[in-house]
Amino acid sequence: ELKVEQNPLFLSMQEGKNYTIYCNYSTTSDRLYWYRQDPGKSLESLFVLLSNGAVKQEGRLMASLDTKARLSTLHITAAVHDLSATYFCAVALNRDDKIIFGKGTRLHILP
Amino acid sequence: EPEVTQTPSHQVTQMGQEVILRCVPISNHLYFYWYRQILGQKVEFLVSFYNNEISEKSEIFDDQFSVERPDGSNFTLKIRSTKLEDSAMYFCASSVVEEVEQFFGPGTRLTVL
Repeated sequence: ELKVEQNPLFLSMQEGKNYTIYCNYSTTSDRLYWYRQDPGKSLESLFVLLSNGAVKQEGRLMASLDTKARLSTLHITAAVHDLSATYFCAVALNRDDKIIFGKGTRLHILP
Repeated sequence: EPEVTQTPSHQVTQMGQEVILRCVPISNHLYFYWYRQILGQKVEFLVSFYNNEISEKSEIFDDQFSVERPDGSNFTLKIRSTKLEDSAMYFCASSVVEEVEQFFGPGTRLTVL
């Protein structure tokens, strides 16, 4: 059974600091997603990572994937208050449409 | 910009009643999904749908649930006999192909009394 674990589950940080959210998963996967969710809102797709070593960047966010270690990271550079949200990683099983989400990391950036 | 839409935004129903949640995916998308999120908890996959049939479903998606694409534009989730624990936010999503990003709708909040 595929398990997806994120850590930390809650992160409070100062503006301007860097930090990394980790996503570990338990079985082989060929797709990993990162989403952002603001309180009471829907999910916004941030990144889709499809291959080992994939790295994608958008603004202050950078995601990477190490399929051998079954690990993805979401790195935040010089955080700003607007990045406060809950971030979910989600993993799809190989050749499968079933997608398992992590519990989410609630990020609170203090001005 | 095209977007996934869902109706209603909030549905209140009595336990044991049937509900139908509606979604209009983005028009050129081929893969459709339903997820649910119980308040404050993680997002749970329910079902994926491609080529007019279910391609994958989770353990949550039991015989009380069904999906349909009745007219080529709508994608519906039916819960036949709602239970209190079905209260959640239900999100529809769609994607062009399975390897790319999924676009989520705004969600339907289902409250079962």
